[in-house]
Amino acid sequence: DGGITQSPKYLFRKEGQNVTLSCEQNLNHDAMYWYRQDPGQGLRLIYYSQIVNDFQKGDIAEGYSVSREKKESFPLTVTSAQKNPTAFYLCASRDTGELFFGEGSRLTVL
Amino acid sequence: QKEVEQDPGPLSVPEGAIVSLNCTYSNSAFQYFMWYRQYSRKGPELLMYTYSSGNKEDGRFTAQVDKSSKYISLFIRDSQPSDSATYLCAMSDSGGSNYKLTFGKGTLLTVNP
Repeated sequence: DGGITQSPKYLFRKEGQNVTLSCEQNLNHDAMYWYRQDPGQGLRLIYYSQIVNDFQKGDIAEGYSVSREKKESFPLTVTSAQKNPTAFYLCASRDTGELFFGEGSRLTVL
Repeated sequence: QKEVEQDPGPLSVPEGAIVSLNCTYSNSAFQYFMWYRQYSRKGPELLMYTYSSGNKEDGRFTAQVDKSSKYISLFIRDSQPSDSATYLCAMSDSGGSNYKLTFGKGTLLTVNP
């Protein structure tokens, strides 16, 4: 089945460690997105990529980094510079229509 | 003023009730409007997609857009316990390569049997 796969679903890390969240899609979509969701905050855009080897900062990019080396993959690294990394992270992709979301990755920094 | 304001929840209704969910926005350039449903600990799934003003109906769901008032609504008829979820409005000013969605904060709906 076509879709977006995020891994891991749950992740615990110590403060100061970098973590990388995986996002893979087999929908052949050009555009991919990373959102962060906090209680009472809605979804906020971290980074997005319209094509391979190109990406743009969203509204809250500080402390995050991404790469887009393949059309299918758009990993997100949460660096130690991110002040409050504990959150639910959502990856999405889009062709010409609506955004399709993955199931999310919940990161908890201890 | 935030770009997208969504009615605060939580909203609790009895089974069979008509539910009205609303968002207002300030950016007059928004022309693509969506409603997403998100179950607990899951990713959002698209419910309704509307371009510009007007109504769109899909089964028990009706989406309305009033661009003159900068106001969008989602109506759920004959609500079911399975409709219990967080509902997110989202909108964009571009359908092309610069497409980015701006989301409301979401309204948590509980439908009680």
